[in-house]
Amino acid sequence: QKEVEQDPGPLSVPEGAIVSLNCTYSNSAFQYFMWYRQYSRKGPELLMYTYSSGNKEDGRFTAQVDKSSKYISLFIRDSQPSDSATYLCAMREAGTYKYIFGTGTRLKVLA
Amino acid sequence: DAGVIQSPRHEVTEMGQEVTLRCKPISGHNSLFWYRQTMMRGLELLIYFNNNVPIDDSGMPEDRFSAKMPNASFSTLKIQPSEPRDSAVYFCASSPLLDNEQFFGPGTRLTVL
Repeated sequence: QKEVEQDPGPLSVPEGAIVSLNCTYSNSAFQYFMWYRQYSRKGPELLMYTYSSGNKEDGRFTAQVDKSSKYISLFIRDSQPSDSATYLCAMREAGTYKYIFGTGTRLKVLA
Repeated sequence: DAGVIQSPRHEVTEMGQEVTLRCKPISGHNSLFWYRQTMMRGLELLIYFNNNVPIDDSGMPEDRFSAKMPNASFSTLKIQPSEPRDSAVYFCASSPLLDNEQFFGPGTRLTVL
């Protein structure tokens, strides 16, 4: 079993839909949680960063962490065709800087 | 700022050859990370440096892989000898400090025949 599991998709939604992307993990020591967006043939770019449990909102994006369930989510409201990309979750333990990434979920937002 | 620069962008080589990937981090960033991305395994951290010193190389898959950072503006990842299973996209990322946001380069797509 991988430390971080992520559905590879692809996930296709119509423009304007609410998108929910998820990751599960097995290491209860993970404290820092991140979501990256990766466009085709580009490097990942950081979207959201959360420490421990709770919610964080930034514009159309909301990140949620549920440590009791070992489950994190990224919600995208009013999705746009420009949101079409692969979304990677990543996490690490406190005191280390070794980030463990999910394999990514490919999202397609249809105009 | 030009961002993280990686070269070459594409590399095709034959099994057994030496491959050297290069990275120039963002000026002023003190930490540098090398990753490998494949469809099957996703993005994996290979090694990271802080202030030019290797901190954790536990992700380096085999002794065939080595990385250096001779100064704050340059790092290399070398594979010798290369094998077909090394085919992947290799990313370099830099950050101001170890626990800051990482900025990724465009990657080097390596194909070993």
